[in-house]
Amino acid sequence: EPEVTQTPSHQVTQMGQEVILRCVPISNHLYFYWYRQILGQKVEFLVSFYNNEISEKSEIFDDQFSVERPDGSNFTLKIRSTKLEDSAMYFCASSGQGTTSGEQYFGPGTRLTVT
Amino acid sequence: RKEVEQDPGPFNVPEGATVAFNCTYSNSASQSFFWYRQDCRKEPKLLMSVYSSGNEDGRFTAQLNRASQYISLLIRDSKLSDSATYLCVVNMGSGGSYIPTFGRGTSLIVHP
Repeated sequence: EPEVTQTPSHQVTQMGQEVILRCVPISNHLYFYWYRQILGQKVEFLVSFYNNEISEKSEIFDDQFSVERPDGSNFTLKIRSTKLEDSAMYFCASSGQGTTSGEQYFGPGTRLTVT
Repeated sequence: RKEVEQDPGPFNVPEGATVAFNCTYSNSASQSFFWYRQDCRKEPKLLMSVYSSGNEDGRFTAQLNRASQYISLLIRDSKLSDSATYLCVVNMGSGGSYIPTFGRGTSLIVHP
């Protein structure tokens, strides 16, 4: 069964450093998403991406964040200068259809710890 | 503020019980609705979409009430493996611009 994969599973970084989280969506999906979940809190939408551009983004997704699809398979989330409050689980998801109807499939997540 | 609200629980039920969860949403223009389950420190996994006519998948039944702006999930004949947090997800927005909005989840514990 096709699945979304994410690397690394755990990333520890110092405050102010840049991190890149990587995702490989399901191969025939066209819509891609990043979410974060701070420990003990709800899953929060960050950004959606379709046709090589951002479709939607939340208030959390400020200038410190960027996304890219550098090749035909990877989808990345970059945090330019990490803050302590960026510590969270980051989930990538993909969908064959857009948010008006699409069911999303999540990767296992990257746990980001900022010290 | 546009939100999705769920009773956090936990719902503590014996094996074989029937349990129901509700979820309310604030934006009447919301387009699509889903239930996911999330095990501790794992990713959300899609359980089922929720259609206006209601839908069933084995022991799971989902209903949508647009007039009252809530969706429900019914689990029949609960199994130990059903223990998890159940997340309600609503695509909220309008005019072709929708953002997936998660509830905080309802915790279910099924005991022997």
